Amino acid sequence: DVKVTQSSRYLVKRTGEKVFLECVQDMDHENMFWYRQDPGLGLRLIYFSYDVKMKEKGDIPEGYSVSREKKERFSLILESASTNQTSMYLCASNWYEQYFGPGTRLTVT
Amino acid sequence: QKEVEQNSGPLSVPEGAIASLNCTYSDRGSQSFFWYRQYSGKSPELIMFIYSNGDKEDGRFTAQLNKASQYVSLLIRDSQPSDSATYLCAVRRGSYIPTFGRGTSLIVHP
Repeated sequence: DVKVTQSSRYLVKRTGEKVFLECVQDMDHENMFWYRQDPGLGLRLIYFSYDVKMKEKGDIPEGYSVSREKKERFSLILESASTNQTSMYLCASNWYEQYFGPGTRLTVT
Repeated sequence: QKEVEQNSGPLSVPEGAIASLNCTYSDRGSQSFFWYRQYSGKSPELIMFIYSNGDKEDGRFTAQLNKASQYVSLLIRDSQPSDSATYLCAVRRGSYIPTFGRGTSLIVHP
C-alpha cells in the first residue's frame, strides 16, 4: 500500500511565524503535490514537484514556497503565516492516481 | 478555465438504496476520471477511476462515463451508513494535473 505521511495532524501558529509542513511518501513517486482545502472552495493546488529540486506553481502559490531535496520528501513553507492561511493542507503523491496524506489542519492566530 | 461541477448536496438516501452521484466537466478533451471518497476530517481516498465510455464496476461501486454528454457518475449499490462521506470527482486531460470538483456530501440514513 502507498503510504503518504505528513508531519503534523494539527498545528497552531501565530501570525508572522515561518511554518514548515513536511510530507513523506514511500513509493518512489516522482511527482508530489501540495493542496489546501477550504469549505466551499474545494481542493486548490498550491505547488507541485515532478522531480528532486524541481517545482512548479499551482493555482494559489502566493505566500508559499516549497522544497524538495530528496525524492521522498516534499516540504511546504509559509514564509510569514497569516490568518487567511488557516486551512487543511493536503499532500499527495503520484501523477495519475493521486494518493493523499492524512492532512495537516493549520490554524494561524 | 477547466471546470468540474458537482452538486454539493447533501444527497440523502436510505440504507440499502442506490446512491447516484453526478459530475459534469467543461473540457471536452478530458481523458481520465477519478472518484475519491472523503470522510469528515480525513483526507481523500481514491475509490475508482475510468477512462473509457460506459460502465466500470468494482464491488458495490459503478462508475459511468459519457464523454459525448461530458458527465461521469458514481453509483453506490446497497448503500450503507459507512458510505456517508463527501465524494470528489476529478478530471484529467492527458498528462495535465487533475481538476477536482468541490464534492457531493452523501448521507445514508438507517
